[in-house]
Amino acid sequence: AAGVIQSPRHLIKEKRETATLKCYPIPRHDTVYWYQQGPGQDPQFLISFYEKMQSDKGSIPDRFSAQQFSDYHSELNMSSLELGDSALYFCASSSRLAGGQETQYFGPGTRLLVL
Amino acid sequence: AQSVAQPEDQVNVAEGNPLTVKCTYSVSGNPYLFWYVQYPNRGLQFLLKYITGDNLVKGSYGFEAEFNKSQTSFHLKKPSALVSDSALYFCAVRDLGGFKTIFGAGTRLFVKA
Repeated sequence: AAGVIQSPRHLIKEKRETATLKCYPIPRHDTVYWYQQGPGQDPQFLISFYEKMQSDKGSIPDRFSAQQFSDYHSELNMSSLELGDSALYFCASSSRLAGGQETQYFGPGTRLLVL
Repeated sequence: AQSVAQPEDQVNVAEGNPLTVKCTYSVSGNPYLFWYVQYPNRGLQFLLKYITGDNLVKGSYGFEAEFNKSQTSFHLKKPSALVSDSALYFCAVRDLGGFKTIFGAGTRLFVKA
């Protein structure tokens, strides 16, 4: 079965650079969630999208932005990178069309290192 | 390799009764365990975590979890369930020496009035 795909799997950037992380949800999933997990920290919810509209917002810095495209893939754009942005970024997808409470399926994560 | 299992897709409980949501894990080193809850159309919210110390961990909304090393389990519990507890619950594990967190498949909790 197809899973959530994230690219790249690893990314190294320098301070003040920009980065774009991509998430491809499971086919027919309409909702995407982004999470950030810093070293030694718990995963923190950043933002989510349903049908290309932002549906929920967590602790996402103003330097970050995200969107969901017509093919339901999502991109997390990170500007003016700081050392503290070094983390593992998870994407998860789900389907609300099925009704009820949807299950999130997590991708393998993108490991970002800011030097 | 790390793994986490939530053996029940769904748990049904009557309001006022105690509830248990099960989780078992496998890590190569010392485990770092936690529970998240997802309400409809929302991102995951942190409930509680275990690193070291007392085997019984208390968290948000009256939830607690019991770490059992011999059974490699970290079951989520609440003495008296509320209808508002109905949600999806995710168990997660990370090797303390590692970096990546592995999430379970989730368990749906339905609390009936």
